[in-house]
Amino acid sequence: DAGITQSPRHKVTETGTPVTLRCHQTENHRYMYWYRQDPGHGLRLIHYSYGVKDTDKGEVSDGYSVSRSKTEDFLLTLESATSSQTSVYFCAISGASGGTSTDTQYFGPGTRLTVL
Amino acid sequence: RKEVEQDPGPFNVPEGATVAFNCTYSNSASQSFFWYRQDCRKEPKLLMSVYSSGNEDGRFTAQLNRASQYISLLIRDSKLSDSATYLCVVNGDYDYKLSFGAGTTVTVRA
Repeated sequence: DAGITQSPRHKVTETGTPVTLRCHQTENHRYMYWYRQDPGHGLRLIHYSYGVKDTDKGEVSDGYSVSRSKTEDFLLTLESATSSQTSVYFCAISGASGGTSTDTQYFGPGTRLTVL
Repeated sequence: RKEVEQDPGPFNVPEGATVAFNCTYSNSASQSFFWYRQDCRKEPKLLMSVYSSGNEDGRFTAQLNRASQYISLLIRDSKLSDSATYLCVVNGDYDYKLSFGAGTTVTVRA
């Protein structure tokens, strides 16, 4: 399995509080992604990164920001959490060196976030 | 219209049966296709890539129909351990950006 960890794995917070989720990889993959998964919607891309300090928005980016200061870490921040952001958040990586396809993505174990 | 659409199922099949399901995609320019497997409350894991000529991996066979813009997955000789949700995945505007279907749930019963 790809070396991807997410922290925390579970979090309960209150509306209006800031929350930061961390994704850490040991695979030196170039691309990193944050998704949310909700029933009936599949995985939806929040933000992604194509290199250190290079990030861009996905399809559901409102209310979220990201930062990537090192290859191995990609942070997702909810500046002021809302109940609609209750979800399961997955980090993914792709872009291995050595000729492997850049588009196969490998996922972290997920973070279950509940906003009360 | 969603970029990737799947029949949510569930498909309930007995052990040893064959089960097959499709997904459709809307972007005719898509070049990369995958099936991922997701167990309950776990992360998605790559099951197999889908190639233009179709491909097999053990009991799993994937097919691509570009003209009709759908891909299929067939599972032969189903095992209890095949019970999972299968996600259809297609690349979008850039290779590294993928679109996910909501998944097809398969339950194999003894």
